[in-house]
Amino acid sequence: DAGVIQSPRHEVTEMGQEVTLRCKPISGHDYLFWYRQTMMRGLELLIYFNNNVPIDDSGMPEDRFSAKMPNASFSTLKIQPSEPRDSAVYFCASSSPSLGLAGADTQYFGPGTRLTVL
Amino acid sequence: AQKVTQAQTEISVVEKEDVTLDCVYETRDTTYYLFWYKQPPSGELVFLIRRNSFDEQNEISGRYSWNFQKSTSSFNFTITASQVVDSAVYFCALSEAGGGADGLTFGKGTHLIIQP
Repeated sequence: DAGVIQSPRHEVTEMGQEVTLRCKPISGHDYLFWYRQTMMRGLELLIYFNNNVPIDDSGMPEDRFSAKMPNASFSTLKIQPSEPRDSAVYFCASSSPSLGLAGADTQYFGPGTRLTVL
Repeated sequence: AQKVTQAQTEISVVEKEDVTLDCVYETRDTTYYLFWYKQPPSGELVFLIRRNSFDEQNEISGRYSWNFQKSTSSFNFTITASQVVDSAVYFCALSEAGGGADGLTFGKGTHLIIQP
């Protein structure tokens, strides 16, 4: 089975540009999470969705960040305008606790998108 | 508020040595879930184990073992007979929901270096 898919794997952009990161969760998973990893702050939750609805976006750093999940198989994280301090690795993860199956409560992570804002 | 502390920033051992990675957590909930993830040099996050607060049994999986002690709020991870391939950053994480239905709070990670 395919795992969580993220694109692009690497993104280099200039300050002020719009950046869109993409995620395809594992098929059948109804929870989707976006995390950010930096040296200073470590791994931190940005936002998560359940059945395509945002549940908690308290981790979104500021209004420049937005996330959407238009359907069960696709989510985007957008930064507009981007700034150098947004440089980080952005991870997407998915899970399926509602299935009640062994391991369903586990979050499985994608390979991440390494974002560099110059 | 929940918190995970991994006090060991970096550990370096020689291959075949046993090594224990410490994890101490804080939570006000009586129901919670603990996790360990591995991040190899390639960068992905690999799930290792999930444990709920009602199950204090230790777990062994091959060379890996985990010791969960509620009395000390610790969930330590031991690698027996370490190998170079074990070199990675290891993260301990906590969720006050099911783990699958809530965000994870991660520790800062322990960078494990296994020298040949």
